Amino acid sequence: NAGVTQTPKFQVLKTGQSMTLQCAQDMNHNSMYWYRQDPGMGLRLIYYSASEGTTDKGEVPNGYNVSRLNKREFSLRLESAAPSQTSVYFCASSGFEGVGTDTQYFGPGTRLTVL
Amino acid sequence: GESVGLHLPTLSVQEGDNSIINCAYSNSASDYFIWYKQESGKGPQFIIDIRSNMDKRQGQRVTVLLNKTVKHLSLQIAATQPGDSAVYFCAENANAGGTSYGKLTFGQGTILTVHP
Repeated sequence: NAGVTQTPKFQVLKTGQSMTLQCAQDMNHNSMYWYRQDPGMGLRLIYYSASEGTTDKGEVPNGYNVSRLNKREFSLRLESAAPSQTSVYFCASSGFEGVGTDTQYFGPGTRLTVL
Repeated sequence: GESVGLHLPTLSVQEGDNSIINCAYSNSASDYFIWYKQESGKGPQFIIDIRSNMDKRQGQRVTVLLNKTVKHLSLQIAATQPGDSAVYFCAENANAGGTSYGKLTFGQGTILTVHP
């Protein structure tokens, strides 16, 4: 079990460029999430997908789009990158593990710099 | 929303001491709480969780205490080791009841440094 995997691990973009961050999980989880983490701060939810075929905005969705490609994969797209989007991006997934757990499992992160 | 900034709370302890990391949450409707550990350059790692119908839960070397009256959560680490050095985040979830997803709200984090 690889858990949650993310690609790429590092990326440098110029302002206005676009890119897609990829995330995949092999735990058969229903729900997937994208977060960003800025220096000295906790994680902030960008978008989430409660189940295959559904996506919803989180706390900071502006400038991003997502696609839940299938149950395993959830991608995050920056259409026109801005320096304010310089951050570390984490993907997470969760699913029923029995009575009453919604533990989210995180990937290793993608470190994005926008110049 | 919570205040944010670049200066995280810090806790320095000696190896072998017990550590207590505190977290205040704001949403009285939150019914599920999680502690995560994040080492430098890695994603958050689940440590322990607790539901609002409990006030204490123990794991291996860790204990989480929940005080709903004052909306306070704490993580106790027994016999702290250098490998415990990391940033610790609490997270709350107000939509955990019976569903397969939940939107977590993370705290700012606390830096724990363990000196040999």
